[in-house]
Amino acid sequence: DQQVKQNSPSLSVQEGRISILNCDYTNSMFDYFLWYKKYPAEGPTFLISISSIKDKNEDGRFTVFLNKSAKHLSLHIVPSQPGDSAVYFCAARRNDMRFGAGTRLTVKP
Amino acid sequence: DAGVIQSPRHEVTEMGQEVTLRCKPISGHDYLFWYRQTMMRGLELLIYFNNNVPIDDSGMPEDRFSAKMPNASFSTLKIQPSEPRDSAVYFCASSPAGSWDAGANVLTFGAGSRLTVL
Repeated sequence: DQQVKQNSPSLSVQEGRISILNCDYTNSMFDYFLWYKKYPAEGPTFLISISSIKDKNEDGRFTVFLNKSAKHLSLHIVPSQPGDSAVYFCAARRNDMRFGAGTRLTVKP
Repeated sequence: DAGVIQSPRHEVTEMGQEVTLRCKPISGHDYLFWYRQTMMRGLELLIYFNNNVPIDDSGMPEDRFSAKMPNASFSTLKIQPSEPRDSAVYFCASSPAGSWDAGANVLTFGAGSRLTVL
């Protein structure tokens, strides 16, 4: 069962613009949400997280927003850079950690 | 620390053969997770261990899959017999107990083992 869903398999943006990656979840018991970034031939690496008791967390160019009523979170990257091109996975934690299918972000120079 | 170490990085085998994937977690990490990445399903959780004990193996696809953690520094994922639909990248990840239990939640992943079953 896909408890964490990323419905956009790919996203392309221009360098300097905002990238918005979206994620939906079904289990209201998740207590933490995370974003991981993955480059080819490497494992995913942690990017940013947010507790379920918050609605926003910011770290430099990266901001995660959580809308619990809609069971939706998003990752904003501002400004986007070519080095941000990667696959981004949304993840949610209860007793274990569940991941979405990923969104491939391409930032064009 | 060298991070989470997985071997082999690439494995090509024929249908029906036994496949063993290996993982060495970061020293001191008490949680170990096995994930499988496919185009269709993304990153699927297969099984996870706490202090070498399997906690949840409900994600293991079928009886052909088995995982063990004989000690704190080593885990294996075995597929016997292998089938073409098992072709995927298999990731191992670990987390320290203090971090996980406190909610910090950060998993450190290995580079993955790419399995191709012909």
